[in-house]
Amino acid sequence: DAMVIQNPRYQVTQFGKPVTLSCSQTLNHNVMYWYQQKSSQAPKLLFHYYDKDFNNEADTPDNFQSRRPNTSFCFLDIRSPGLGDAAMYLCATSRGPSGVYNEQFFGPGTRLTVL
Amino acid sequence: KQEVTQIPAALSVPEGENLVLNCSFTDSAIYNLQWFRQDPGKGLTSLLLIQSSQREQTSGRLNASLDKSSGRSTLYIAASQPGDSATYLCAVRLGNYGQNFVFGPGTRLSVLP
Repeated sequence: DAMVIQNPRYQVTQFGKPVTLSCSQTLNHNVMYWYQQKSSQAPKLLFHYYDKDFNNEADTPDNFQSRRPNTSFCFLDIRSPGLGDAAMYLCATSRGPSGVYNEQFFGPGTRLTVL
Repeated sequence: KQEVTQIPAALSVPEGENLVLNCSFTDSAIYNLQWFRQDPGKGLTSLLLIQSSQREQTSGRLNASLDKSSGRSTLYIAASQPGDSATYLCAVRLGNYGQNFVFGPGTRLSVLP
């Protein structure tokens, strides 16, 4: 089945220790998104890639970076995690071009704990 | 700036009841609206997608409507079941060419057996 996969599902890191979260997709979608979701809150868009074109949200901290080496994979790097970065990180994809099929598909998420 | 709200924040109903969840957005210039379901500690599952030119979409016991001019969407769930218990979120896509989506905070639904 075509899907969005996130690894790991649970990640524990120490305060200030860099961490990388991984997302892959078999949908061949143009757009990949990273969201941060804290408990009982709406998912907050951090950035997205349209193909290789990177789009950062204005209020995304510099501590968060992303890489998309190919269509299938996208990584979220947190350079120096703080306690406030503990959250669920959600990866999503969408087909991209304006048109009917611009539905978002989400992965299962990675729960990040910062000690 | 687009803001999306959902009322109520939480809802508890007995099994078998029909119910309506509400989603409101401040800027009517949206491209589409999507309803999701999120189980505790899990990712989001897409339920229905409504294009800005459409008025409603149906899937099984779910029906979503969209009134773009008034900035509202509703998700109707017929004959609710305990398995419907989850948080329901709506998200709007901004404009024709942007790829950004803005989410509401969700409605936490509990269906009691």
